[in-house]
This record gives sequence, C-alpha cells and structure tokens, in this order.
Amino acid sequence: SQQGEEDPQALSIQEGENATMNCSYKTSINNLQWYRQNSGRGLVHLILIRSNEREKHSGRLRVTLDTSKKSSSLLITASRAADTASYFCATDVEGAQKLVFGQGTRLTINP
Amino acid sequence: DTAVSQTPKYLVTQMGNDKSIKCEQNLGHDTMYWYKQDSKKFLKIMFSYNNKELIINETVPNRFSPKSPDKAHLNLHINSLELGDSAVYFCASMGPSYEQYFGPGTRLTVT
Repeated sequence: SQQGEEDPQALSIQEGENATMNCSYKTSINNLQWYRQNSGRGLVHLILIRSNEREKHSGRLRVTLDTSKKSSSLLITASRAADTASYFCATDVEGAQKLVFGQGTRLTINP
Repeated sequence: DTAVSQTPKYLVTQMGNDKSIKCEQNLGHDTMYWYKQDSKKFLKIMFSYNNKELIINETVPNRFSPKSPDKAHLNLHINSLELGDSAVYFCASMGPSYEQYFGPGTRLTVT
C-alpha cells in the first residue's frame, strides 16, 4: 500500500491566499520531501525536512514535520497563478533506499 | 544544459512491440531511478541503479529491463508491450542531499 497519503486531493483558492497541503505516512523515515509537478512536466524538488527537524522554510514555502503523528504539511503563502501544479510528498523510508510518493494534491490558483 | 534528459518525449506503439527509453544526467550523480506514473498521477519506483549496479527492482515484470552503460546513463527496454504499460515514465537522479532530479518524462501509449 502507499506510504504517503495526501490531503486534500484537490484545492482551489484565490491568488494571494495561503494554501496548505497535508501528508501522512506509515513507517519510520529518514526525511520527507515535497515536489511540484506542473502539467506535462517532470517533478521539481521543493524542500527536504529531516526526521529530527520540525519546521523548515524556503521562500514562500513552510514545511512542518510531526514524527509522532507521522504527518507533514506544506504551506504556500501569498499564492500566485504560477503555483498552480500538483504537489507530492515523498518519504525516504528508513532502510529502503528509495522515495515513496503520495498521490499528490492538485492545487489551482484562481486569478 | 539540461540536467536530466529523456528520449523520446512521446512514444506511441502497438501491443507486442519492443521499445526503449533513454535517460542521461549531466549532474555527476551516482544513483539513478526509473519511475512509472499512472493516469491517476500515482508515482511508483521501478528500478534504482547506483554507479551502474542495480540496487532496487520493485517487482516489475521481467519484460522491463534497465541497462546502465555508465553512471550517467540509465536506459529502459520494454519487451512485448501491453496496454497496461501505457503511462508516463520518469527518469531521476539523486543529489548529495538525497533530493531527486527528474527528467521531463516519456509518455508511452500502447494501442
């Protein structure tokens, strides 16, 4: 079964609003990563948070990690039309030497 | 100066045919991957190579055979194509901080 489950599956907001996406996982991890995929393109790495970190920032992105709840959230502040994409969380599972991806959240920013 | 490139971008073929997808990365990374993304956007790892050696084979049918002639190249050959093989195939390489760099994808359509 999938390691990561994302919530919501789709999110539509107005430009300028904040967007929050959540990811839950099942097993112990080394790190958790977030990726963006624009339509018809490959995935682009956004941010990585290690299992011993609780929060990380990169520009308008803020990621939190709660290992006790096995969950993470990605917050995009002051959204722009160019943020329209699918966002995936991926867990680097301990001992597995691979990333396991969630099914993604499709984010639409309305101008 | 594309980091991870794949050819072809689109591949339309009939059931039973054999086809190959090529991948090259110019990032100097040791580890490369093949992923399959289905119509629901679910991304699943297929293979992983480290410095030309196979390290992950995710119970993929043996009609799929990866080949790594050197650490910058990871090709995927598929024999006896089936309808269910239709998907987007992504190549990726792993950077020093465990982030992954994805190619643009190859959309395979089997008719």
